[in-house]
Amino acid sequence: GAVVSQHPSWVICKSGTSVKIECRSLDFQATTMFWYRQFPKQSLMLMATSNEGSKATYEQGVEKDKFLINHASLTLSTLTVTSAHPEDSSFYICSARTGKSNSPLHFGNGTRLTVT
Amino acid sequence: EDQVTQSPEALRLQEGESSSLNCSYTVSGLRGLFWYRQDPGKGPEFLFTLYSAGEEKEKERLKATLTKKESFLHITAPKPEDSATYLCAVQAGQYGNKLVFGAGTILRVKS
Repeated sequence: GAVVSQHPSWVICKSGTSVKIECRSLDFQATTMFWYRQFPKQSLMLMATSNEGSKATYEQGVEKDKFLINHASLTLSTLTVTSAHPEDSSFYICSARTGKSNSPLHFGNGTRLTVT
Repeated sequence: EDQVTQSPEALRLQEGESSSLNCSYTVSGLRGLFWYRQDPGKGPEFLFTLYSAGEEKEKERLKATLTKKESFLHITAPKPEDSATYLCAVQAGQYGNKLVFGAGTILRVKS
């Protein structure tokens, strides 16, 4: 089955530093990947849509200069949290589709970011 | 604006006690309704996709149904390993590409 791999699974960083999270599609090519954020006991909120070879599309209220997305190949998208602050601490999850535009999203196992 | 509401927020069942989770939605042009299971600290795991009213899907102890306003996830004779958060999501609009998630139902099954 479709596998989406996310790395790292958890990271702790100091306030003001930047953190990069990688999302890979292991057995399929993904022209589009989606980045979600999840706060404790809350649902998934879409942050941005990552498009291979072009700029990402950000949801309303998401700072594109703070959450940098790069989708340089058909199997890799990265999310960089720049100048992280404690309020950026959250669970970040990426996802991708293997088929048609209304086929299911397959999710990575998420990255727990803690900013101290 | 597309909205997804799940109920109940939490559900405690005894092993073998069947029940149903609800997902009600208001969208413009449903393209698909998706059920996921999420374990603590993990990403969501895909369970079912439903595309049109009247459609049903089954997998082991789980059965998902869809009407024009809501979807149900029926759990028959649950086991402790069915304990998880169950998420419902919708994809809508003619060119809609993203999923909008409900808040989820936390299911606990006690032996």
